[in-house]
Amino acid sequence: DTAVSQTPKYLVTQMGNDKSIKCEQNLGHDTMYWYKQDSKKFLKIMFSYNNKELIINETVPNRFSPKSPDKAHLNLHINSLELGDSAVYFCASSDVRGFLSYEQYFGPGTRLTVT
Amino acid sequence: SQQGEEDPQALSIQEGENATMNCSYKTSINNLQWYRQNSGRGLVHLILIRSNEREKHSGRLRVTLDTSKKSSSLLITASRAADTASYFCATPNLSGSRLTFGEGTQLTVNP
Repeated sequence: DTAVSQTPKYLVTQMGNDKSIKCEQNLGHDTMYWYKQDSKKFLKIMFSYNNKELIINETVPNRFSPKSPDKAHLNLHINSLELGDSAVYFCASSDVRGFLSYEQYFGPGTRLTVT
Repeated sequence: SQQGEEDPQALSIQEGENATMNCSYKTSINNLQWYRQNSGRGLVHLILIRSNEREKHSGRLRVTLDTSKKSSSLLITASRAADTASYFCATPNLSGSRLTFGEGTQLTVNP
């Protein structure tokens, strides 16, 4: 009964490859997020979806493409992987009602290593 | 620039001692949140304090918020080795569409 799940947990791949990370939440939340955490633990938002609609798209290379087939799923596809993409990627979900944002629930993370 | 900045960056204490972490932010908020991240895990929400609250308690956690100084503190009382983790403050933008996280405080509680 995991609230926010991500697969895979670890991903090791070579430069130039294309890979996907999947995220699912069973909390009934309308909003989902992708974050990137670098080696210094700095957590930066990449994308946010509300009811399958993209609402935040930070300055992220267009090699990164999120896809939300339904409001319980938010996947992240990365093309032409580069060394600098190595990081831990977290999916999260929350309720956002009006102008109030509530706590976010995070997945366990996907550690991506590009060699 | 980062909305939330925390200090200290690292804190090492003995079991049983109290740990205090501070967070400063730059813009107006309607709430401030604290999260914990154990090594190799995702972030876990600890406590949310609204802008009209000054203090909030949850078990051994005590959070204060001073909107005039744009700062918050997280106090963990009677710390345990299991409290060893990184602690992050986070602030939403006014539309509520995003959280901006601070750089975190790494707390080590020595048994």
